Amino acid sequence: DAGVIQSPRHEVTEMGQEVTLRCKPISGHDYLFWYRQTMMRGLELLIYFNNNVPIDDSGMPEDRFSAKMPNASFSTLKIQPSEPRDSAVYFCASSSHDAEKLFFGSGTQLSVL
Amino acid sequence: RKEVEQDPGPFNVPEGATVAFNCTYSNSASQSFFWYRQDCRKEPKLLMSVYSSGNEDGRFTAQLNRASQYISLLIRDSKLSDSATYLCVPGALGGYQKVTFGTGTKLQVIP
Repeated sequence: DAGVIQSPRHEVTEMGQEVTLRCKPISGHDYLFWYRQTMMRGLELLIYFNNNVPIDDSGMPEDRFSAKMPNASFSTLKIQPSEPRDSAVYFCASSSHDAEKLFFGSGTQLSVL
Repeated sequence: RKEVEQDPGPFNVPEGATVAFNCTYSNSASQSFFWYRQDCRKEPKLLMSVYSSGNEDGRFTAQLNRASQYISLLIRDSKLSDSATYLCVPGALGGYQKVTFGTGTKLQVIP
């Protein structure tokens, strides 16, 4: 099993640019989660999907953030425009039907200059 | 009150020592709990599940105290390789799958 795959591993961009993070969940998993991790705030849940449908996006910080899941094997998290305070590690995780045990991707280290 | 609270540490312990840390949760309806381990600059990985009173796996023991609403993680005979951040999280409740992690407890095992 390939596990959860995220890309890119590292992203460095300038303030104001659009950033797109990508995630491929484990095949057969019904749930997909996007988290953001910083030293100050820890691991924050941004949004989660069930069967490709966004269920709870209350953690999305601002309208600059958007997430999509067009099919069961792909999701994107977009930031437009990006700001320095968006710098963090963004993790994608997937889980089977009971959402009890999460499997994380390796994360995307985002730096907005 | 936060959904999950943990002492951030760090807990600095010598090799071979026994160390324990707690995690308190606010939702008394939570039925399951999980401990994840996160190494520096890596993703969290599931360490243990707790569904009833407790669970033991080798040197690791997780216990649940429903009356006081906390779970604990006990590590015996600490190894250098146990150095990591340990995150706790209540499992999803039926129909509500928002999985919220604690901030984690950092453990440093010293030679």
